[in-house]
Amino acid sequence: DSGVTQTPKHLITATGQRVTLRCSPRSGDLSVYWYQQSLDQGLQFLIQYYNGEERAKGNILERFSAQQFPDLHSELNLSSLELGDSALYFCASSATRGTEAFFGQGTRLTVV
Amino acid sequence: AQSVTQLDSQVPVFEEAPVELRCNYSSSVSVYLFWYVQYPNQGLQLLLKYLSGSTLVKGINGFEAEFNKSQTSFHLRKPSVHISDTAEYFCAVSDLSGGSYIPTFGRGTSLIVHP
Repeated sequence: DSGVTQTPKHLITATGQRVTLRCSPRSGDLSVYWYQQSLDQGLQFLIQYYNGEERAKGNILERFSAQQFPDLHSELNLSSLELGDSALYFCASSATRGTEAFFGQGTRLTVV
Repeated sequence: AQSVTQLDSQVPVFEEAPVELRCNYSSSVSVYLFWYVQYPNQGLQLLLKYLSGSTLVKGINGFEAEFNKSQTSFHLRKPSVHISDTAEYFCAVSDLSGGSYIPTFGRGTSLIVHP
């Protein structure tokens, strides 16, 4: 158990819908990362938050957004969903930037 | 931007044989290096890390890796594999020079251990 909790584990939704993925980092970790894993793109960095502030953006679509709350949990919002958004979405946390990231079990999103 | 290349997408090997999974990264400036393992339907689990110090690092499950700065490589090795080592292995690099420190991952290597 990494200590990072992601909910839900599975999500099936229709095209055009909006979903929210939730992540609780390890106790004390200030940095949260979101990654998307798909067969064709591998593990792609989406966005990072550090102590409530956005610190870095990767290949994140404009239809996607995220935030980190004062209790350090984070949410990833995906809107106007397309079939191609189907993937595994991972949250990871680390104590400080750059050091080892601990991953949650992921949310498997299926858009139908 | 940092890039990570895992040279083999799939490595088949027989049980009790040695294995090496190769990883090269693009930048030779200050980096932190990691290997993760992913079992089916699970998240990524840290195998080992290099932050500083000795270039030979030992991890869990009998794995070790060697940091070679001149060759910008961080290859993962195990002297004798088990069936249970069958999984996907990811190399990751945090580039400290640009200030972002974001772990960049390779495409992964599927290790398949045959009895």
